[in-house]
Amino acid sequence: EDQVTQSPEALRLQEGESSSLNCSYTVSGLRGLFWYRQDPGKGPEFLFTLYSAGEEKEKERLKATLTKKESFLHITAPKPEDSATYLCAVLNQAGTALIFGKGTTLSVSS
Amino acid sequence: DAMVIQNPRYQVTQFGKPVTLSCSQTLNHNVMYWYQQKSSQAPKLLFHYYDKDFNNEADTPDNFQSRRPNTSFCFLDIRSPGLGDAAMYLCATSGGQGRTDTQYFGPGTRLTVL
Repeated sequence: EDQVTQSPEALRLQEGESSSLNCSYTVSGLRGLFWYRQDPGKGPEFLFTLYSAGEEKEKERLKATLTKKESFLHITAPKPEDSATYLCAVLNQAGTALIFGKGTTLSVSS
Repeated sequence: DAMVIQNPRYQVTQFGKPVTLSCSQTLNHNVMYWYQQKSSQAPKLLFHYYDKDFNNEADTPDNFQSRRPNTSFCFLDIRSPGLGDAAMYLCATSGGQGRTDTQYFGPGTRLTVL
């Protein structure tokens, strides 16, 4: 069964304290891995799509990487406005539905 | 800016009273999705349209239906809402040029059932 596991469930950082979020997956043929940011009461905001192992994408303080078994979302020198829940999802070759992890809730304090 | 728009943002209905949620998109994407997200849970796909072709997930309750009258609009109808249907309902789209798998979400409609 296709599955996505995110860790940790919650992460508290001081402003400027870099860290990484993990997304491990098992999927029958990866068509794509997606990172989203979700603020309370809002829809997921697209961040990155990764298609193959070794691929990396960057946007401001965020960098996403992909291996054959997991993806990392690296946050460099975070700011309080980076506080949100970060969702990882995969799409398999056969499906249409994104298979989501439960998310990592990030809190950054100043 | 091209986007996915959902109305209303907040909807309150009574137990058993039908409700319709709407979604529109200016991305000109051919695929539209409806997800249900309950508190502290991951989004769960209810159904999707590939152009006019309707696709229902196997475990989507019969209480939920959808209409897509044209490329830009999609509606979610809940015929007889129960207390367990209270959730955030998310519309998403995908398609367009190049790699087309990325799904873009709207802001969601928060449904409360009294």
